Amino acid sequence: QQQVKQSPQSLIVQKGGISIINCAYENTAFDYFPWYQQFPGKGPALLIAIRPDVSEKKEGRFTISFNKSAKQFSLHIMDSQPGDSATYFCAASNNYGQNFVFGPGTRLSVLP
Amino acid sequence: DGGITQSPKYLFRKEGQNVTLSCEQNLNHDAMYWYRQDPGQGLRLIYYSQIVNDFQKGDIAEGYSVSREKKESFPLTVTSAQKNPTAFYLCASKRLDVDGYTFGSGTRLTVV
Repeated sequence: QQQVKQSPQSLIVQKGGISIINCAYENTAFDYFPWYQQFPGKGPALLIAIRPDVSEKKEGRFTISFNKSAKQFSLHIMDSQPGDSATYFCAASNNYGQNFVFGPGTRLSVLP
Repeated sequence: DGGITQSPKYLFRKEGQNVTLSCEQNLNHDAMYWYRQDPGQGLRLIYYSQIVNDFQKGDIAEGYSVSREKKESFPLTVTSAQKNPTAFYLCASKRLDVDGYTFGSGTRLTVV
């Protein structure tokens, strides 16, 4: 019940395309769903996050879609750029991070 | 600028030796965390601390030890009991009343 499943494991997208990464969770107590972006040799950085009271959140080219009934959420990267090439982790938590679970990550490659 | 500093960036250890990874933060965050990252396995929690002089085991604490003598510092010791210590180690911190972590830039430990 503590797992967060993430797919695909790797993703290759052409420049200008849309990158979509999906995550699913089981614990209905989770109330915070962030996405982290990690470049090689660096620590993850918070990209965007959502709470279950909204179904979508957009920040620039990055959008989180959230489906509470299906217990799924996804990251959409519009107009993908080679600079977006990184590993993306979804996560879920509750109680202000007292219980924080990461997905296994998706390696995104955007071809020029 | 506030942030988390991990040192060293690269560390080499001979088998049978203990090594200590440093993590310092000047964000005035209460909680600090150590994660281990292996290729394709995401982030796994080693230890965490929410208050000075107190810490709890995470999912993979065996072979590791920590201390939290100061709010700003949370060093991780990889002992000789850790059978497969080669990995990328990430330190993170957060305020107890806020979601979301701030990560350091990581230490890559290699056993030679």
